[in-house]
Amino acid sequence: DVVMTQSPLSLPVILGQPASISCKSSQSLVHSDGNTYLNWFQQRPGQSPRRLIYKVSNRDSGVPDRFSGSGSGTDFTLKISRVEAEDVGVYYCMQLTHWCTFGQGTRLEIK
Amino acid sequence: QVQLQESGPGLVKPSETLSLTCTVSGGSISSYYWNWIRQTPGKGLEWIGRFQNSGGTNYNPSLKSRVTISVSTSQVSLTLSSVTAADTALYYCARWDYGSGSPIWGPGTMVTVSS
Repeated sequence: DVVMTQSPLSLPVILGQPASISCKSSQSLVHSDGNTYLNWFQQRPGQSPRRLIYKVSNRDSGVPDRFSGSGSGTDFTLKISRVEAEDVGVYYCMQLTHWCTFGQGTRLEIK
Repeated sequence: QVQLQESGPGLVKPSETLSLTCTVSGGSISSYYWNWIRQTPGKGLEWIGRFQNSGGTNYNPSLKSRVTISVSTSQVSLTLSSVTAADTALYYCARWDYGSGSPIWGPGTMVTVSS
């Protein structure tokens, strides 16, 4: 199984300040087709997860451009350039290269 | 607009079989990957398995011996046998692909395993 390890698990952030979440996989996420199937999801309180980023760095439709994804191989990062109140929730990385596994989640809160 | 709705018994006894249904409205079950995922406070999000028209079914190795996913015209069903308290979770049905198509998740259905 591919293990996805996120850090930090808790992220208090001041409104308007940047935030960064790391996700490391136990093996390379480069698929045999050349793509890297690393996604980022946001789960707001009481809601189902919503995808923000697919294939490392592609923003989904409707996702604010303050969200960005980067990385390669086994190391990936989600960045929020300026945190807003609506960003409160839990963020998960998820890989689809080797079936499917999720990170443990990072809880973002406003400090 | 495609919508997913999970349904099933909210309470299941230990050692029994859990059966859930995901009803798909506004679209057909073709092309995409149709998945079951569960969420617990302790283990977070856990992928259970998936169905895809051309690829058949695939399961999480840790659950494979107890899981079956089947599909009919507008429903994706999950059965999980020999349940224990560890199977208590919020169960989601979700549709996704490997590209730019936005995943669609149902609201989830809570299942408690208890006598």
